[in-house]
Amino acid sequence: DAGVIQSPRHEVTEMGQEVTLRCKPISGHDYLFWYRQTMMRGLELLIYFNNNVPIDDSGMPEDRFSAKMPNASFSTLKIQPSEPRDSAVYFCASTPQGRETQYFGPGTRLLVL
Amino acid sequence: QQPVQSPQAVILREGEDAVINCSSSKALYSVHWYRQKHGEAPVFLMILLKGGEQKGHDKISASFNEKKQQSSLYLTASQLSYSGTYFCGTRGGSNYKLTFGKGTLLTVNP
Repeated sequence: DAGVIQSPRHEVTEMGQEVTLRCKPISGHDYLFWYRQTMMRGLELLIYFNNNVPIDDSGMPEDRFSAKMPNASFSTLKIQPSEPRDSAVYFCASTPQGRETQYFGPGTRLLVL
Repeated sequence: QQPVQSPQAVILREGEDAVINCSSSKALYSVHWYRQKHGEAPVFLMILLKGGEQKGHDKISASFNEKKQQSSLYLTASQLSYSGTYFCGTRGGSNYKLTFGKGTLLTVNP
């Protein structure tokens, strides 16, 4: 079975540009999580969805960040406008209903210059 | 509230044992353990769902003391493949939100 798929794997952009990160969860998984990982703050949950509905977005840093899940097989995390402090590795993870194990995607390494 | 992991780093020789601790200031519903190798995604190791629960996987096991709000990960007879950063993630209630500690860097040398 394919695992969680994320794209792009690497993104380099300039400050002020819009960045869109994409995630395809494992088929049949009902929960989808977006994390950000930095050396300073570690692994932080940004937002998670259950059955395509956002449940907890308390970790979204500010209005420049937005996330959507238009269907069960696709989610996006958008940063507009991007800033250098957004540079991090962004992970997407999914979990099947009734379970707690989170399966992480390979991550997107974002560098904002 | 982010759980506190200790130690921050540990260096072992192959075959030695290690213990990694995870403490929370809040009551815990469950504790998750993940391992992440450099440049890769975190990989699930195990979940402890009940107070006092202990689990084992190969030579890696864990315990959960609900009363003390802490969990420990035990690595015995370490192998080179055990090297990586170990994270505990804590869940405080019915919400599926996990809060991760800052990690413990484990290095196993030959």
